[in-house]
Amino acid sequence: RKEVEQDPGPFNVPEGATVAFNCTYSNSASQSFFWYRQDCRKEPKLLMSVYSSGNEDGRFTAQLNRASQYISLLIRDSKLSDSATYLCVVNPRGELNNNNDMRFGAGTRLTVKP
Amino acid sequence: DADVTQTPRNRITKTGKRIMLECSQTKGHDRMYWYRQDPGLGLRLIYYSFDVKDINKGEISDGYSVSRQAQAKFSLSLESAIPNQTALYFCATSDPGGAGNTIYFGEGSWLTVV
Repeated sequence: RKEVEQDPGPFNVPEGATVAFNCTYSNSASQSFFWYRQDCRKEPKLLMSVYSSGNEDGRFTAQLNRASQYISLLIRDSKLSDSATYLCVVNPRGELNNNNDMRFGAGTRLTVKP
Repeated sequence: DADVTQTPRNRITKTGKRIMLECSQTKGHDRMYWYRQDPGLGLRLIYYSFDVKDINKGEISDGYSVSRQAQAKFSLSLESAIPNQTALYFCATSDPGGAGNTIYFGEGSWLTVV
């Protein structure tokens, strides 16, 4: 079983739709969780950190469910520019700033269509 | 200009050849990393360095070596390239004293071993 698992998609949604992705992790001691965005043939960039009970940033909401060991990313009112691959990232050691142990999911591809 | 710069951006090389990927950063971060990305597998850590002369193996270090010549430079070498090292390689930096666990990636180096 992979340490971080994501539905690869692709998710194809119309503009304005609400879409949600889930990510499960295997290490119950994990403390730090993140969503990165990666455009086609580009580098990943931090979208959101997810701490404690979750985080919201404009149209994006990330939530954490420790009991079930998953995090989710909700995108409301999808824009064409949201088309990208979304990577779930987990720090399994639970030590803040211990970047050497980050585990990346394979990503979920989203395409928003007009 | 990118804060994390990788060269070359694209390279095709033959099996058995030695190849070096170079990375330089202007962010002033002490921590630097090399990852590879393969379809369906997510990003995997090859080596990381927390300071000049500090070298640590990551998840998949076999077949690779690195050198941290200065705070701003971290190079990755494939001593004898093989086809299954064909991948997209990312250099990255982070600053534990800064924005938490944010990892900043270079633009990537596409390597094809034939």
